[in-house]
Amino acid sequence: DAGVTQSPTHLIKTRGQHVTLRCSPISGHKSVSWYQQVLGQGPQFIFQYYEKEERGRGNFPDRFSARQFPNYSSELNVNALLLGDSALYLCASSLGYRGNNEQFFGPGTRLTVL
Amino acid sequence: AQSVTQLGSHVSVSEGALVLLRCNYSSSVPPYLFWYVQYPNQGLQLLLKYTSAATLVKGINGFEAEFKKSETSFHLTKPSAHMSDAAEYFCAVSEDNQGGKLIFGQGTELSVKP
Repeated sequence: DAGVTQSPTHLIKTRGQHVTLRCSPISGHKSVSWYQQVLGQGPQFIFQYYEKEERGRGNFPDRFSARQFPNYSSELNVNALLLGDSALYLCASSLGYRGNNEQFFGPGTRLTVL
Repeated sequence: AQSVTQLGSHVSVSEGALVLLRCNYSSSVPPYLFWYVQYPNQGLQLLLKYTSAATLVKGINGFEAEFKKSETSFHLTKPSAHMSDAAEYFCAVSEDNQGGKLIFGQGTELSVKP
């Protein structure tokens, strides 16, 4: 079975641009979460979606938004990119949305903002 | 509020020696605790998890961790290090009232010397 897939793998943007990152969960998983991992730090929670509804939001500005589609795939959108948005963006999927659910991570999208 | 502290950003051991990576957590309710491993340029892989069953948890690749409520700790151990264990290790906590939101520590880089 395929694991969590993310696209693209790498992305280079300039300040002020917009970016869309995509994630396909493991088949049967209904929850998708997004994390930002800045170099040298642990991942930080951005969003969680379950059954197309937002279940949680981290401490990120409104420039960050996401959605989940009927097939449970998800998109993370970031507007007005800043240099500080450069990071590895990780997507994770799980069966449910509760805290004891194991989250399976994708390989990430490396975003560089110049 | 939830938080995770990993003592030591870098740990170095010799091949065959004991591995001990320290993690302390803060949580207002019974927590769920996780250890993840990250190899360079890859996503996170779950090593083991504590979800209120046995306090001694065995994971993959010979790793185990013990949940100690009185010490608010969840240290990761492996009796004998292998060169392939060299990676970044993250401890994470979640709570049922926070959904699937994982709060990660800052990570510990494990080096294994031949």
